Amino acid sequence: EVQLLESGGGLTQPGGSLRLSCAASGFTFSTQNMGWVRQAPGEGLEWVSLINANSDTTYYIDSVKGRFTISRDNSRNTLYLQMSSLRADDSALYYCAHQRGHVNYWGQGTLVSVSS
Amino acid sequence: EIVMTQSPATLSMSPGERATLSCRASQSINNNFAWYQQKPGQAPRLLLFRGSSRATDVPARFSASGFGTEFTLTISSLQSEDVAIYYCQHFNSWPWTFGQGTKVEVK
Repeated sequence: EVQLLESGGGLTQPGGSLRLSCAASGFTFSTQNMGWVRQAPGEGLEWVSLINANSDTTYYIDSVKGRFTISRDNSRNTLYLQMSSLRADDSALYYCAHQRGHVNYWGQGTLVSVSS
Repeated sequence: EIVMTQSPATLSMSPGERATLSCRASQSINNNFAWYQQKPGQAPRLLLFRGSSRATDVPARFSASGFGTEFTLTISSLQSEDVAIYYCQHFNSWPWTFGQGTKVEVK
């Protein structure tokens, strides 16, 4: 059974940093493309970042470029999202996503709240 | 950025009726496209992708059609458990984007 378990969310002040993690199991993590999708409270879905299987290709939406870094450790079956210079509009539930363009599997999300 | 526009915003129908949800892309996305279902308090769930391929364990009453810029999700006989928000998403070019969602209600 595929499982994606996110962690690392929490409450932080504007300008702060957080590192999200996603522990994957039930599939061969090292061969699969992954990503992060976020959903602000009561709002729709937004792709944030992608990373391919061997980490040589990454993508970011414009609003997070230069502030967020996606990475992965295939030896630990773990996906990361390092977030810095956080803003109020980054507040959202962040989902880890196993993706092939479409998202085959979703985690349950980790909540990030940015507020003073 | 390709904009995905869904209609209607809300669809309220009786059990057993046929529900049709639409999604329009601002430019051609070929069939690099997917539909998701999100029930309250849950993560989204993949329903259909690349035109009409059904994801694992998705009931046959869900079907999809379309290519290019116009796409349709059809629920052939609406059930009470289909109450959810339905999102379309393209993955033709980065940034991948979602539509704003269609909320399906059962009367």
